[in-house]
Amino acid sequence: AQTVTQSQPEMSVQEAETVTLSCTYDTSESDYYLFWYKQPPSRQMILVIRQEAYKQQNATENRFSVNFQKAAKSFSLKISDSQLGDAAMYFCAYGSNYQLIWGAGTKLIIKP
Amino acid sequence: GAVVSQHPSWVICKSGTSVKIECRSLDFQATTMFWYRQFPKQSLMLMATSNEGSKATYEQGVEKDKFLINHASLTLSTLTVTSAHPEDSSFYICSARDLGDSLINSPLHFGNGTRLTVT
Repeated sequence: AQTVTQSQPEMSVQEAETVTLSCTYDTSESDYYLFWYKQPPSRQMILVIRQEAYKQQNATENRFSVNFQKAAKSFSLKISDSQLGDAAMYFCAYGSNYQLIWGAGTKLIIKP
Repeated sequence: GAVVSQHPSWVICKSGTSVKIECRSLDFQATTMFWYRQFPKQSLMLMATSNEGSKATYEQGVEKDKFLINHASLTLSTLTVTSAHPEDSSFYICSARDLGDSLINSPLHFGNGTRLTVT
């Protein structure tokens, strides 16, 4: 069975600095997708970035980028120039067959 | 963009009563909707997968007679918590997949969630 592990329950970063959130997963499948979702205090789940496993190039969305290491089954999220609005719970998710398997989440605190 | 409307956003009910939560896809058709439960400071726990026109598929440990799911149309799925008890108090979130999209193009669209408090 697939599993997703986020080993950092909480991270903090100074505003305008860079922070990296870790995520590892376990699967025997070769074709799958990986996602990072953000859940601010409003509880709305917001897609931050996504990566197709067959693509070697790391996905990038403005200040958000991933470091995808398929062999190591690692999928970390880097947030550059952190902003106060980035404060939220961040969930890593593994996707296949239209279902998502979720990590436990990392609470990101932005220090002004 | 695709919008999923979940209603109500919060509800307080007495123990023993039933509560219905609606999940609607407003501008797309969803053959599949997912119901999650989220405990404080924890991740989303998939409860069941709701398929239009057929019975829902429940995850292990989720009582199907307790959490009734109906997906009668391509735009509406409902979750009914029957004979609610205080331990059912939680945050429930639905999500839907656009009929025409692959997982990577439109992974899932989420409702805003429903906070249920059973007194």
